[in-house]
Amino acid sequence: GAGVSQSPSNKVTEKGKDVELRCDPISGHTALYWYRQSLGQGLEFLIYFQGNSAPDKSGLPSDRFSAERTGGSVSTLTIQRTQQEDSAVYLCASSLGTSWEQYFGPGTRLTVT
Amino acid sequence: AQSVTQLDSHVSVSEGTPVLLRCNYSSSYSPSLFWYVQHPNKGLQLLLKYTSAATLVKGINGFEAEFKKSETSFHLTKPSAHMSDAAEYFCVVTQSNYQLIWGAGTKLIIKP
Repeated sequence: GAGVSQSPSNKVTEKGKDVELRCDPISGHTALYWYRQSLGQGLEFLIYFQGNSAPDKSGLPSDRFSAERTGGSVSTLTIQRTQQEDSAVYLCASSLGTSWEQYFGPGTRLTVT
Repeated sequence: AQSVTQLDSHVSVSEGTPVLLRCNYSSSYSPSLFWYVQHPNKGLQLLLKYTSAATLVKGINGFEAEFKKSETSFHLTKPSAHMSDAAEYFCVVTQSNYQLIWGAGTKLIIKP
């Protein structure tokens, strides 16, 4: 079946602009996770959804970052007033229920110039 | 809090020779541990997982890892490297029932 998909695959934006990153989880997966991967680093947890609610937003680095999930499916990560330090690969994962066994999308590479 | 250290940022081996990617962890309880692989321009894939059953865990593509509590290690091995193994490998430890703490990654280079 279809895996986790993310769009766009690449995004180049100017400093100060807002960006939206989209994640389509595996059908039927109730849990969804966003991570950030900076160059040469492991993944950094951002936020976790169970259904449409986000019980854990502890990893969001600042109030410029927000995320929502609608219909228990698609999620959007929004970064407002982007900064150069926001440049990274943003990864989305989903799982059947809350679980360590997460399935990852290919990521969105964000470059802020 | 849990943490994980991958001891080598790059490992280079010749095709057909053994692979060893080293990982040490720190945990206040008995954790679950994972190895993920990331091929260029592809998504992360789970290689294998340890969840307190057998300490020697076999994964996909001939990889295996051994959980050694006394050494707080979870090193990844493969007897014979193949060109297709060239990728970045991440050691991961669990922090909660869903939170994963990731190592910085080890890039595996295979020489022909």
